[in-house]
Amino acid sequence: AQTVTQSQPEMSVQEAETVTLSCTYDTSESDYYLFWYKQPPSRQMILVIRQEAYKQQNATENRFSVNFQKAAKSFSLKISDSQLGDAAMYFCAYRSAVSGYALNFGKGTSLLVTP
Amino acid sequence: DAGVIQSPRHEVTEMGQEVTLRCKPISGHNSLFWYRQTMMRGLELLIYFNNNVPIDDSGMPEDRFSAKMPNASFSTLKIQPSEPRDSAVYFCASSLGVGELFFGEGSRLTVL
Repeated sequence: AQTVTQSQPEMSVQEAETVTLSCTYDTSESDYYLFWYKQPPSRQMILVIRQEAYKQQNATENRFSVNFQKAAKSFSLKISDSQLGDAAMYFCAYRSAVSGYALNFGKGTSLLVTP
Repeated sequence: DAGVIQSPRHEVTEMGQEVTLRCKPISGHNSLFWYRQTMMRGLELLIYFNNNVPIDDSGMPEDRFSAKMPNASFSTLKIQPSEPRDSAVYFCASSLGVGELFFGEGSRLTVL
């Protein structure tokens, strides 16, 4: 099974600053999807951004962008101009595009945003 | 369009009681997933349905857990009998094809 590793249990960033959350994964497949989900205290799982492995261009959604390094199997999330509302748990996830199987999640990174 | 709807949002029960969690996926989605979230183990896949058929239930902890999907718009996760170690947040999610999963708000279960 594919494994997803988030090596930073906790991160902290000041409001308006930039922070990068790390994620690595292990797979032998060439076709897959990667996701970042946000889970605020309300516990709702919210999709932040997605990346198709066949696309070389890094995905961007407003203040959120990824650095996808396929050969290195790395998928980091950059949050620019951090806001208090960005404080949450962030989960990196992998999904096979071949088998259409379920998401494999990392353990999560807790992001604290300080004023 | 409504998102994934789960009920109940909170459930407190006594050990040994039966618990039934319910899920209505997004209309048109063909895959449904049940996940369990705990502090110790994170997000674990319990079972995955595709076109109402269970594809993989290897994540179901033991025989006390069972899941059904009688039609495309409804699924249940049942625990009988419940134990304190079953206390967790249970998420239902659905998807269309191999894209992202859309999650419900989760059901927080506390077994005393």
